[in-house]
Amino acid sequence: QSLLTQPPSVSAAPGQKVTISCSGSRSNIGKNYVSWYQQLPGTAPKLIIYDNNNRPSGIPDRFSGSKSGTSATLGITGLQTGDEADYYCGTWDSSLSAGVFGGGTKLTVL
Amino acid sequence: QVQLQESGPGLVKPSETLSLTCTVSGGSIDSYYWSWIRQPPGKGLEWIGYIYYSGSTSYNPSLKSRVTISVATSKSHFSLKLTSVTAADTAVYYCAREDPTTAIFAWGQGTMVTVSS
Repeated sequence: QSLLTQPPSVSAAPGQKVTISCSGSRSNIGKNYVSWYQQLPGTAPKLIIYDNNNRPSGIPDRFSGSKSGTSATLGITGLQTGDEADYYCGTWDSSLSAGVFGGGTKLTVL
Repeated sequence: QVQLQESGPGLVKPSETLSLTCTVSGGSIDSYYWSWIRQPPGKGLEWIGYIYYSGSTSYNPSLKSRVTISVATSKSHFSLKLTSVTAADTAVYYCAREDPTTAIFAWGQGTMVTVSS
C-alpha cells in the first residue's frame, strides 16, 4: 500500500479540465517538494511537474501543480486524447529517508 | 541531455541474485544522484534506492536487507544487485537520475526482469 494516496482513475471529455489529487502526511508531502510523472502506455515515466508547481522545459502550460499542507494536486486543462496515461505523484519521506510514489491514477479522455 | 540505458539478464531464478547495470551517456555521472525504481506488471512505481556519485547510498527500508547499489564513475555506470529474489521481484526495472529533494529528472527506458525457474 502506497504512502501517497491517489484516485485509481479519473476521466473527462476532450477540451475539459481534470484534477488528480495526491494525499500524504507530514513526513512526506508536508515537508518536501512534490513531483508528478506521466506514463504513456508501454513507456517509461516522464517528469511533468517538479518542486510542486514547476514545469520542465517542453511541458506545455496545460499542466500545473499545487500543494497545500499534506496534499498536492495535478491539473490538466484543454484535455487531449494524447494525455491518456497513468499519472504518479512522488516525493521524499523524511521519516523513512526514502523516495515514495502514489499508487497512480489512470486518466481517460472520453 | 543525459541518457540512461539499463542492461542485464531478463530471467533470474528464485533465490538467486538479480544484477543490472545502467550506462550513463550525454553527461557526467559526477555530482548527481543515481537511482533504481521498479514497476511490477500492471502495478505502480516502487523506489528502490539511490547512490550519490561519491558512493553514499539510501535504500527503501522494505528492500534494504537485499539491495546494493554501486557506482563506477570512471566507467560512467552504476549497478543494482538484489539478492534472494522471488516472483514478487518480477518487474520492469528503471534506472534514473534524481535530485532527492526535488524530482526524478531522467529515466532509462526500463528493462523487464522475470523471476522464474
